[in-house]
Amino acid sequence: QSVLTQPPSASGTPGQRVTISCSGSSSNIGSNAVNWYQLLPGTAPKLLMYSNNQRPSGVPDRFSGSKSGTSASLAISGLQSEDEADYYCAAWDGNLSGQVFGGGTRVTVL
Amino acid sequence: EVQLVESGGGLVQPGGSLRLSCAASGFTFRSYEMNWVRQAPGKGLEWVSYISASGSTFFYADSVKGRFTISRDNAENSLYLRMSSLRAEDTGIYYCAREPVAVAGAPLDYWGQGTLVTVSS
Repeated sequence: QSVLTQPPSASGTPGQRVTISCSGSSSNIGSNAVNWYQLLPGTAPKLLMYSNNQRPSGVPDRFSGSKSGTSASLAISGLQSEDEADYYCAAWDGNLSGQVFGGGTRVTVL
Repeated sequence: EVQLVESGGGLVQPGGSLRLSCAASGFTFRSYEMNWVRQAPGKGLEWVSYISASGSTFFYADSVKGRFTISRDNAENSLYLRMSSLRAEDTGIYYCAREPVAVAGAPLDYWGQGTLVTVSS
């Protein structure tokens, strides 16, 4: 059971907008910034979004992030086939003195 | 180019020990905090341990506390994870990941390709 809660799957057709939610508590998302990671099969995890809504260099602007209270979300607009991957949210947890991850959401492009 | 290359994984019996290494290059290693994160087969990512840039502060997940030890050698640009009393549930791919200092949310901005640890008799 992961500390952060994500839906196990999400899907959309090319060009559609897909949103992934991430729910936590006051000790993690409620008091710390959220990061998002993308895992493509056979490759190293990649930082996709940091500090709630900041894109690292090279990440397309069709990826966006937001946070409100103890929840966060990642949106992919203009979905493309190469976006088919697993997405994880993460945050520092002050009670656990460590990072906590969501269970991951598999995005499928139909 | 930032590179993180893990090594040291393999097959070990329950109760055994293993030491993982992560060789860093392409950046000033001593200026970054470092982490180990693992992924069990068919499961999600799980944070394992953190070490500060100077090597003086460490944190561990409850699941490995007392069994794993993180360390670093800034002169050798290397990160280590000493694992002992290994259990079947420690099986998985172990990634080392870089963490920039003082960035909100402690993002892990570069990851290695991982090394596979299998605990089985």
